[in-house]
Amino acid sequence: ETGVTQSPTHLIKTRGQQVTLRCSSQSGHNTVSWYQQALGQGPQFIFQYYREEENGRGNFPPRFSGLQFPNYSSELNVNALELDDSALYLCAHQPGADRTDTQYFGPGTRLTVL
Amino acid sequence: ILNVEQSPQSLHVQEGDSTNFTCSFPSSNFYALHWYRWETAKSPEALFVMTLNGDEKKKGRISATLNTKEGYSYLYIKGSQPEDSATYLCAYRRGATNKLIFGTGTLLAVQP
Repeated sequence: ETGVTQSPTHLIKTRGQQVTLRCSSQSGHNTVSWYQQALGQGPQFIFQYYREEENGRGNFPPRFSGLQFPNYSSELNVNALELDDSALYLCAHQPGADRTDTQYFGPGTRLTVL
Repeated sequence: ILNVEQSPQSLHVQEGDSTNFTCSFPSSNFYALHWYRWETAKSPEALFVMTLNGDEKKKGRISATLNTKEGYSYLYIKGSQPEDSATYLCAYRRGATNKLIFGTGTLLAVQP
């Protein structure tokens, strides 16, 4: 077990709606990254938060946004959902900034957009 | 190579067979190479983080090597067991960033 949890496990939304996904860690890791895994692909980097500030972003539009809280839990928000947003969303906590530090992943949230 | 590529895409072996997979990545601006093992409905499990050319890491029956000059890493599993069945992902870190660039994975199925 990685100690990283995500909620909900899965959910179904309709096109145009908004969704909030949540991630937390048993350990106080101050860096959290979010990834999207579409069918048949590897996880794609969405963005990273470090001490409540966005610290790097992948090729995702602004309707993908995030928050990190003082207790190091975090949220991924997606507005104006599109069918292509259907995917598994993973969060990963990292204990530090050393190059040998690993990222510990949660089990993911499966989002289906109809 | 501009992306991370893994081969083969899938592999079926018999219990007791040894096997290996390949991860290819850009050799420029290399920072680190991560290997993960991912069972269905579970969290990806970190296996190795490798940073130095020529690195070899071992964890039980699983080992990995790294060649940063030519941009590849091999993952070896000795004496495969059914519980080794999973998707094995590699991820490349480019420069001093925390962004991981993943391959699409190798799906391993070990038949008893």
